[in-house]
Amino acid sequence: GAVVSQHPSRVICKSGTSVKIECRSLDFQATTMFWYRQFPKKSLMLMATSNEGSKATYEQGVEKDKFLINHASLTLSTLTVTSAHPEDSSFYICSARDWMVNYGYTFGSGTRLTVV
Amino acid sequence: ELKVEQNPLFLSMQEGKNYTIYCNYSTTSDRLYWYRQDPGKSLESLFVLLSNGAVKQEGRLMASLDTKARLSTLHITAAVHDLSATYFCAAATSGTYKYIFGTGTRLKVLA
Repeated sequence: GAVVSQHPSRVICKSGTSVKIECRSLDFQATTMFWYRQFPKKSLMLMATSNEGSKATYEQGVEKDKFLINHASLTLSTLTVTSAHPEDSSFYICSARDWMVNYGYTFGSGTRLTVV
Repeated sequence: ELKVEQNPLFLSMQEGKNYTIYCNYSTTSDRLYWYRQDPGKSLESLFVLLSNGAVKQEGRLMASLDTKARLSTLHITAAVHDLSATYFCAAATSGTYKYIFGTGTRLKVLA
């Protein structure tokens, strides 16, 4: 299937700083990508839908100024956690439509963010 | 609003045994997904079910979909230790690309 590359896999940052997570589709164009957040031993929570060339659509309760999403090209979406705090520590995962599988989606490898 | 529930949340089973994980969703959905997640890892796609009565099998795992009952099942046959993982189902809101994950089932297969 299609491959989505997500970086970094792990990041530790200090409170108050910003962190950028990249999600890149390899060898295919992803006009729509999704960003999820997962707490330990919990399910995935959809944060936002990232659309190439337009503003992201955020789910209810997700602060758009806190979690900045940019989808400037057909192969790259970024999630920036601004002014990070310890409660932002989590596992963040992106996904994109897998064009090789009917209605399939492929996931990035995830980013473990720890804010200290 | 689409909600997805799974049961059981935890499952500990002996090798060689059979078991079923259930996934219920609250409103009309036109596709249902099953994923596997190993600790600290991302999600691996297992099955995509697109129509009522759809059944798919891969190795010891078999998934089915009943859209009338809004129920999908993941059946495990003759479990082996390598199947230990967390399994998620996800249902898609009809007419959109957006899908909602179930609560997850943590499966532990004991040797």
